[in-house]
Amino acid sequence: DAGVTQSPTHLIKTRGQQVTLRCSPKSGHDTVSWYQQALGQGPQFIFQYYEEEERQRGNFPDRFSGHQFPNYSSELNVNALLLGDSALYLCASSPMTGGGTEAFFGQGTRLTVV
Amino acid sequence: DQQVKQNSPSLSVQEGRISILNCDYTNSMFDYFLWYKKYPAEGPTFLISISSIKDKNEDGRFTVFLNKSAKHLSLHIVPSQPGDSAVYFCAASDSGTYKYIFGTGTRLKVLA
Repeated sequence: DAGVTQSPTHLIKTRGQQVTLRCSPKSGHDTVSWYQQALGQGPQFIFQYYEEEERQRGNFPDRFSGHQFPNYSSELNVNALLLGDSALYLCASSPMTGGGTEAFFGQGTRLTVV
Repeated sequence: DQQVKQNSPSLSVQEGRISILNCDYTNSMFDYFLWYKKYPAEGPTFLISISSIKDKNEDGRFTVFLNKSAKHLSLHIVPSQPGDSAVYFCAASDSGTYKYIFGTGTRLKVLA
C-alpha cells in the first residue's frame, strides 16, 4: 500500500515565477491538507481539501491556491514566488475531515526560490 | 502567537535510558494531541496520539501523558534507542477545525 506521495521532491524556481506541487493521498483517504515547513520551524497549515473543495484555510495569502481532483489527489499552486516561500511543502492525508484522527504525511517537496 | 510550544530545541539521552519530550499549549479548545517523528529528508511520521478525555496513552516504548489543567503534554520513550534520534513534533487540534497546530520541534539524540 503506497503511502502519501509527493512530486517533485526538489524544485528550484526564480522569484516571480509560479509553481505547482502534487500529492497523491494514502489509499482510502479522501482528505488532503497542505503544510509549509520553514527551516527550524514546525509545519504550518496552509489549507485542507475535501470533496474537491477547500474546507479550511490557514494564514496564507491568496497567492497560495489548491485543487483536489475526483481521485482525491491534490495540487498546491503558488503564484508570484517570493524568496520567503522557500520551504519544505508537506502534504498530509487522512480518512476523516475533522479532528480526532492522525494524518499521514508525504516526504515533502523542497522548494527553493532564488 | 505560538499556541503550541516545545521549549527544548534539543535533548541528548544515553541509550537505554528514558527520553522525556515536553510540549505546552495555550488554546483550551484543543482536544486532540499528536506526536510526530521526523528524520532528515523524510516527512513526519505519526507516533502516538491522545484525546483530551484521557490522561495517558501507551504504545510499546512510547507513552504520552496529558495534563489538561497545566495545558501540558509529554512523550516518554523507554528504553531509548539510537534509531530514535530524530526531530519530534508535538501537534494539537480541536474537533471543530481541520488543522493541526505544530510546535517547533525537539531534536532528540540518543547516544550509544
